[in-house]
Amino acid sequence: SYELTQPPSLSVSPGQTASISCSGDKLGERYASWYQQKPGQSPLLVIYQDKKRPSGIPERFSGSNSGNTATLTISGTQAMDEADYYCQAWDSHTVLFGGGTKLTVL
Amino acid sequence: QVQLQESGPGLVKPSETLSLTCSVSGGSISPYYWSWIRLPPGKGLEWIGYMSYTGTTHYNPSLKSRLTISVDTSKNQFSLKLRSVTAADMGVYYCARTWDGSGSYSDYWGQGTLVTVSS
Repeated sequence: SYELTQPPSLSVSPGQTASISCSGDKLGERYASWYQQKPGQSPLLVIYQDKKRPSGIPERFSGSNSGNTATLTISGTQAMDEADYYCQAWDSHTVLFGGGTKLTVL
Repeated sequence: QVQLQESGPGLVKPSETLSLTCSVSGGSISPYYWSWIRLPPGKGLEWIGYMSYTGTTHYNPSLKSRLTISVDTSKNQFSLKLRSVTAADMGVYYCARTWDGSGSYSDYWGQGTLVTVSS
């Protein structure tokens, strides 16, 4: 079965760039989406179809997908960006989530 | 603005059936797909399954034998039934609007409902 792999955690200083990776076999040939989830809240879609931003998502969130890796990039990371981030792909009518990356801003 | 709201018992006994309903407001059930997704304690998001407004269903293979997702377009609701629950089925259950196909993503989510399995 298809799997998506994310690093469990990532730390970044405020104002720096955070890059969260999501790896899967030939992932670049599929679309990737990204969700932000803060404690006690529902997941929030921040990137879909590799690089599209939903309305209301700040421009500092961007996405790319090539080869075996999709990447969520947060430029000028802010304290409010501290959250769990999940990548998601689709395979034959099956929705797949990565294990999640806990982003710490300190 | 589309809004989703989960409802159902927060406590289920082991071996019994978990039943949840998601009510959709601010938009129609059609022509979209609608998902159930859960967050087990201390773990990551897990896709449970989704269905179209026409009733076409797709389930997580690991849950398929215990799972039924159905839709009631007249009430703008869809439901989940998970049979023979165990402690491994505990967590926060979310309903979400999902776009099917290779570019799949879920853009609207409910607030989630906590499910505990205990006698």
